[in-house]
Amino acid sequence: AQKITQTQPGMFVQEKEAVTLDCTYDTSDQSYGLFWYKQPSSGEMIFLIYQGSYDEQNATEGRYSLNFQKARKSANLVISASQLGDSAMYFCAMREGRGNQGGKLIFGQGTELSVKP
Amino acid sequence: DSGVTQTPKHLITATGQRVTLRCSPRSGDLSVYWYQQSLDQGLQFLIQYYNGEERAKGNILERFSAQQFPDLHSELNLSSLELGDSALYFCASSVGQIAYGYTFGSGTRLTVV
Repeated sequence: AQKITQTQPGMFVQEKEAVTLDCTYDTSDQSYGLFWYKQPSSGEMIFLIYQGSYDEQNATEGRYSLNFQKARKSANLVISASQLGDSAMYFCAMREGRGNQGGKLIFGQGTELSVKP
Repeated sequence: DSGVTQTPKHLITATGQRVTLRCSPRSGDLSVYWYQQSLDQGLQFLIQYYNGEERAKGNILERFSAQQFPDLHSELNLSSLELGDSALYFCASSVGQIAYGYTFGSGTRLTVV
């Protein structure tokens, strides 16, 4: 069964330091996509980064990078040079399938990141 | 502004009532997804529509129904509301049936009292 696991309910990081948020997934599909979303206290879901299962290189978007280890089924988010505005809930999500299953996302339980000044 | 519009932003209603949540997808997006976010269940997929047709279904209760109209906006109908239906309901949209990027709306916060 498809599953996303985020084992860190909460994390603290000092401003300007890097932080890694863990995500492991379980799927029997060969084709899938992995996403990270940020949800600040205001509630909206903000897309951060995407990694396809066939992408050979780790995805990067500005200060965000995704450490994709396919054999370990992990897709950790690395935030470099943390800023106070990075304090939020972070969700890892997976999209399975080739269309016959639709495009739904399966979400992990989230990690609450707090950046300390 | 993400381009996905959800109305209303907040809704307070009594148990047993029926409400309709509305979503307008981003221009050009044909797929609409509905998600429910609650403290105990987390983010759960409810249903997906693609170009007017139901495409995928999650653990959506029988009391809930949805549709996508010819202009591609979607409505989620929740009936016989219970206290446990209180949650943040998100709509997301994507261009195709399988997405490489989903755009979420700002959500409708439903409180059932």
